[in-house]
Amino acid sequence: KNQVEQSPQSLIILEGKNCTLQCNYTVSPFSNLRWYKQDTGRGPVSLTIMTFSENTKSNGRYTATLDADTKQSSLHITASQLSDSASYICVVSGAPNNAGNMLTFGGGTRLMVKP
Amino acid sequence: DTEVTQTPKHLVMGMTNKKSLKCEQHMGHRAMYWYKQKAKKPPELMFVYSYEKLSINESVPSRFSPECPNSSLLNLHLHALQPEDSALYLCASSQEGEESSYNSPLHFGNGTRLTVT
Repeated sequence: KNQVEQSPQSLIILEGKNCTLQCNYTVSPFSNLRWYKQDTGRGPVSLTIMTFSENTKSNGRYTATLDADTKQSSLHITASQLSDSASYICVVSGAPNNAGNMLTFGGGTRLMVKP
Repeated sequence: DTEVTQTPKHLVMGMTNKKSLKCEQHMGHRAMYWYKQKAKKPPELMFVYSYEKLSINESVPSRFSPECPNSSLLNLHLHALQPEDSALYLCASSQEGEESSYNSPLHFGNGTRLTVT
């Protein structure tokens, strides 16, 4: 069964600090992995996407890594801001066209950044 | 603001009511989705429409009835819901087929917060 496990489930950090969120997956076949940010009461928004051949991808203060051998990904947030408070969801696609029925969602990490 | 628009933002309905959720996108996407999201849980896929045809129904109870009037619109008709159906209902769209690429994400709306009393 395809699964995506995220850790920690929740995290509280102080503004300005860095943090790293983890995602382990057992999805086959594997096409790509995407991190989404979901603010409270809003829909998820894509942050980064990585295929099996990519190790690192950055988007501003967000840096995602992927180890396709160990089937692990991480999302590193640098110099956190209050607006980073959200749920971060790891989504693994089993199809190149990202068809919605080929996506496996992780349970998310709820990040709270405190002043 | 999201390019997928959902209305209403909030909805409270009784168990005997009939209501509809609406979703609209003008990105030319030919795949549209309904997801249900409970608090502190990831979205769960309910329905997939591909080129205006229902392609996936994830064993959703018949009290939820999707409709895709055209390529830009997606509705979810609700009837005789239960309190446990209270959740955030998310609509999403994506490119599909020859138009799609690995870099095409799901575009989500901001959802309808549904409360069944």
